[in-house]
Amino acid sequence: QLQLKESGPGLVKPSETLSLTCTVSGGSITNSNNFWGWIRQPPGKGLEWIGSISDSGDTFHNPSLKSRITISVDTSTNQFSLRLNSVTAADTAMYYCALDSGDIVLDGFHYYMDVWGTGTTVTVSS
Amino acid sequence: DIQVTQSPTSLSASVGDRVTITCRASQSISNYLNWYQQRPGKAPKLLISAASVLHSGVPSRFSGSGYGTDFTLTISSLQPEDFATYYCQQSYITPPWTFGQGTKVDIK
Repeated sequence: QLQLKESGPGLVKPSETLSLTCTVSGGSITNSNNFWGWIRQPPGKGLEWIGSISDSGDTFHNPSLKSRITISVDTSTNQFSLRLNSVTAADTAMYYCALDSGDIVLDGFHYYMDVWGTGTTVTVSS
Repeated sequence: DIQVTQSPTSLSASVGDRVTITCRASQSISNYLNWYQQRPGKAPKLLISAASVLHSGVPSRFSGSGYGTDFTLTISSLQPEDFATYYCQQSYITPPWTFGQGTKVDIK
């Protein structure tokens, strides 16, 4: 079945750029109905949606992070990536990637995050 | 942007109890509301999509209801493995998405 796995540095210095990659296995990243998303969770806090990308490269961002985020997809390697620049201690969190499946449910077309990676911890510290 | 507010932020309950968690959206979102469960140290898991559709493999003691701005997640008979944090998430048409603040269910 489809699996997602995050990878990237666990420690990033303040003001630098956080870069994470999500590798998709057990299926193709190419599906016009789906988004591929990033979600984070600061220690002891709730979930925050960061952004999503379609396989064709259409992107959506959290307005509060929009100016600092770049999300990209590489269909040749079945991966999608997150870059968050100018990081501060407030960006310290567990970062998850997820499949945001698009499907007809009841009477409408819905998105729901039904496959998640296990998460990767990123600490921002000098 | 659409905000979603969950209540309560935490609750204590016993095995066998009926538990209800509510989620309110800042504007009407029809039935574009999902529910997730997160156990400590684990990634979230989808429970319910489209406000009321149980995801594959989710026990039938979980149910969701609501439309417009007010939604409910109900656990009919709380089991030991249900002690976790629950999140609602609005998925109205296209992103950006937002999560509720979470409701932690712990043992009384």
